[in-house]
Amino acid sequence: AQKVTQAQTEISVVEKEDVTLDCVYETRDTTYYLFWYKQPPSGELVFLIRRNSFDEQNEISGRYSWNFQKSTSSFNFTITASQVVDSAVYFCALSEVKRANNLFFGTGTRLTVIP
Amino acid sequence: ETGVTQTPRHLVMGMTNKKSLKCEQHLGHNAMYWYKQSAKKPLELMFVYSLEERVENNSVPSRFSPECPNSSHLFLHLHTLQPEDSALYLCASSQGRDRGNEQFFGPGTRLTVL
Repeated sequence: AQKVTQAQTEISVVEKEDVTLDCVYETRDTTYYLFWYKQPPSGELVFLIRRNSFDEQNEISGRYSWNFQKSTSSFNFTITASQVVDSAVYFCALSEVKRANNLFFGTGTRLTVIP
Repeated sequence: ETGVTQTPRHLVMGMTNKKSLKCEQHLGHNAMYWYKQSAKKPLELMFVYSLEERVENNSVPSRFSPECPNSSHLFLHLHTLQPEDSALYLCASSQGRDRGNEQFFGPGTRLTVL
């Protein structure tokens, strides 16, 4: 069965601190995609990144970086030098190629960056 | 308009009312989705339409009735709702199986059922 676990329900950091959001997934498929979305207070989910299961290279985009490790079924997200605008709920999600219409979401991590 | 739009943004209705939520995507996608987001629960996929055909219905009560008249528009017709149906309803679209089913979301409709 597919499952995405975000064990951290809420995290608070002080501005300029680094923060890592954890994501652990379960799937029986060998081909799948992992995503991170950001949901600011406005409600819209904003796409951040997509990784496929064959590409374990870590990725960096500005202050954002992602660490994909198949050995531990984890896809963690780090924000460096956090800013108040990073305050949002962050969702990790899994899509299996065999059930490509379905995107399985974790319960989300609410990040609060304190000025 | 760009991306995925949803109207209304907020809706308050009584249990005996009939209302509709509207979603429109301007991305040329061929799949559209309805999700329900309740407090402290994962996003729940409700319906999936691919090429205007419903391909997924995740055991959603019949008081929710989707309609997809074309690939750009998706409706969710509501009738005889219950207070526990109060939630944020999100619409999304994607290019189907391409790009790992990367979905683009609208801002949602915040529904309150009294």
